[in-house]
Amino acid sequence: ETGVTQTPRHLVMGMTNKKSLKCEQHLGHNAMYWYKQSAKKPLELMFVYNFKEQTENNSVPSRFSPECPNSSHLFLHLHTLQPEDSALYLCASSQDLVDLNTGELFFGEGSRLTVL
Amino acid sequence: SQQGEEDPQALSIQEGENATMNCSYKTSINNLQWYRQNSGRGLVHLILIRSNEREKHSGRLRVTLDTSKKSSSLLITASRAADTASYFCATDAGDYKLSFGAGTTVTVRA
Repeated sequence: ETGVTQTPRHLVMGMTNKKSLKCEQHLGHNAMYWYKQSAKKPLELMFVYNFKEQTENNSVPSRFSPECPNSSHLFLHLHTLQPEDSALYLCASSQDLVDLNTGELFFGEGSRLTVL
Repeated sequence: SQQGEEDPQALSIQEGENATMNCSYKTSINNLQWYRQNSGRGLVHLILIRSNEREKHSGRLRVTLDTSKKSSSLLITASRAADTASYFCATDAGDYKLSFGAGTTVTVRA
């Protein structure tokens, strides 16, 4: 248990569906992240939020829409996805943005997404 | 963008043996971190080494950093079945984000 909870753990959706992934951290951290992990590929940073403000959008297609209502919650809204979007989506948090020598990320267990 | 790149991609060893994996990166860094991921789970932080450090230990883990070669190594001594996992290096280049490699998959045979 890392203090970062992701739901759902597994999600199967059609290309025309709309769904959301949820992430909640109980660590009092200020920064939250979405990463995409595809098989045999490096983790791809998608979005970064610091104090609820988006600080990074790593050229992510608009069919992925993040939302950060407060420092403890992060959502990833999914709409008209493609089969190649199937992956493990990992949420992470850190005390502050990762620019410190003591910075480390705390990850959730991930949401396994399958797009049919 | 990818910064760290682990080598080898996969490693299979006998229980009790040591496992060594390497990470190479491209640009100057503030620090380098290693993470472990059990199958289908999230990543767990193992150890962080700063750019002005050359070696660091944590239990059965030993990490080295050679900034002149832009490389790091992770050594797991006296491996156990529970060490079976994927291991990732992540670099902080001072741009407020960690960049991860594709990982080394380690299998420890009983």
